[in-house]
Amino acid sequence: DIQMTQSPSTLSASVGDRVTITCRASQSISSWLAWYQQKPGKAPKLLIYKASSLENGVPSRFSGSGSGTQFTLTISSLQPDDFATYYCQQYNSFSVTFGGGTKVEIK
Amino acid sequence: QVTLKESGPALVKPTQTLTLTCTFSGFSLFTSGMRMSWIRQPPGKALEWLARIDWDDDKFYSTSLKTRLTISKDTSKDQVVLTMTNMDPLDTATYYCARTSLGAAGSFDYWGQGTLVTVSS
Repeated sequence: DIQMTQSPSTLSASVGDRVTITCRASQSISSWLAWYQQKPGKAPKLLIYKASSLENGVPSRFSGSGSGTQFTLTISSLQPDDFATYYCQQYNSFSVTFGGGTKVEIK
Repeated sequence: QVTLKESGPALVKPTQTLTLTCTFSGFSLFTSGMRMSWIRQPPGKALEWLARIDWDDDKFYSTSLKTRLTISKDTSKDQVVLTMTNMDPLDTATYYCARTSLGAAGSFDYWGQGTLVTVSS
């Protein structure tokens, strides 16, 4: 199975900061990567699919990049509503794996 | 409007079989490219994909859990069912169903609210 490694596991930041989260795949997944935001007690919400495509309704301060094995999620200017846990997810034909998550906390 | 909702027991005993139902609306699982998955999340831990069923009835399972899982669909009722045998306290988690549509490129664009299942004697 393909392993997904996210870093950092926790990130402390302030409103207005530029935030970058990294996800690394154990083998190439082309651009089959998605990013989700999850708040406590809620289901994950899709932010980015196919590595860099912004889901409808998601603010443009969120962006994704990368291909192959290295991917990043960037929040250009952190807003109060963005404090949450973020997960990457790979899709490779017949299996799916998630990263371990990155919790974005208030500094 | 797309909605998904999971239902099933909140508490199961070790060794029992868990049956969860996902009832959805706003789309059809007959539509080419449509897929439904089950995903779980133990308290305070990361997400884990369990199983998937496609519009053409193809089925796929997590490598580590495939001997315990069965996924099926009832398109007449707009439902997807997951059974998991031989439940263990380590299976305590919130279980989600989620949709993948053709344009979502393998991602999950809609999720249910989740249902917490506790395994305890």
